[in-house]
Amino acid sequence: DAGVIQSPRHEVTEMGQEVTLRCKPISGHNSLFWYRQTMMRGLELLIYFNNNVPIDDSGMPEDRFSAKMPNASFSTLKIQPSEPRDSAVYFCASSLEGGVKAFFGQGTRLTVV
Amino acid sequence: KQEVTQIPAALSVPEGENLVLNCSFTDSAIYNLQWFRQDPGKGLTSLLLIQSSQREQTSGRLNASLDKSSGRSTLYIAASQPGDSATYLCAVKNAGNMLTFGGGTRLMVKP
Repeated sequence: DAGVIQSPRHEVTEMGQEVTLRCKPISGHNSLFWYRQTMMRGLELLIYFNNNVPIDDSGMPEDRFSAKMPNASFSTLKIQPSEPRDSAVYFCASSLEGGVKAFFGQGTRLTVV
Repeated sequence: KQEVTQIPAALSVPEGENLVLNCSFTDSAIYNLQWFRQDPGKGLTSLLLIQSSQREQTSGRLNASLDKSSGRSTLYIAASQPGDSATYLCAVKNAGNMLTFGGGTRLMVKP
């Protein structure tokens, strides 16, 4: 398996633009997590899905952030409109439910200017 | 709400030293605890996973222990090498499959 695949790896956009980050989890994994990492706040859980259903989105900072998982092999995290304080590395991770390892993608480095 | 704390935040040691990284968590009702390594500008690589019923796991020069009742885990690195320099993160999985991370320990091993 190729692991968790995220795209794009880097994104530079202007303030006010819409940004869409994509994630393909490991085949067969039924849990998917979106994290944001910054120097100031470390790794923060934004939202996670079990079996394509959002379970906890309490970490989503504002209504500008939304996430979808239309099927077991694809998820998106959208920011509309983007702001400079959204600049961070966004990670997607997947795992099987229960006491097993979580696997992370390489992340998307987002810069909003 | 689960809170995970890692001490120290940063550590610099000479090559060859044995070292211990600490992780503590507030809610002991966990499924497992996982230690990750993150190199600058890279993603997270899983190092060791300890199930809630286990006390320790070993992989090469790494040994992770878990004391669930006291809410603590340690990552022991033997005979440290410059290639071990990275940020080490612990993460706890609770019921509902939620994974909560500590702030990490930035390790520098000097040749």
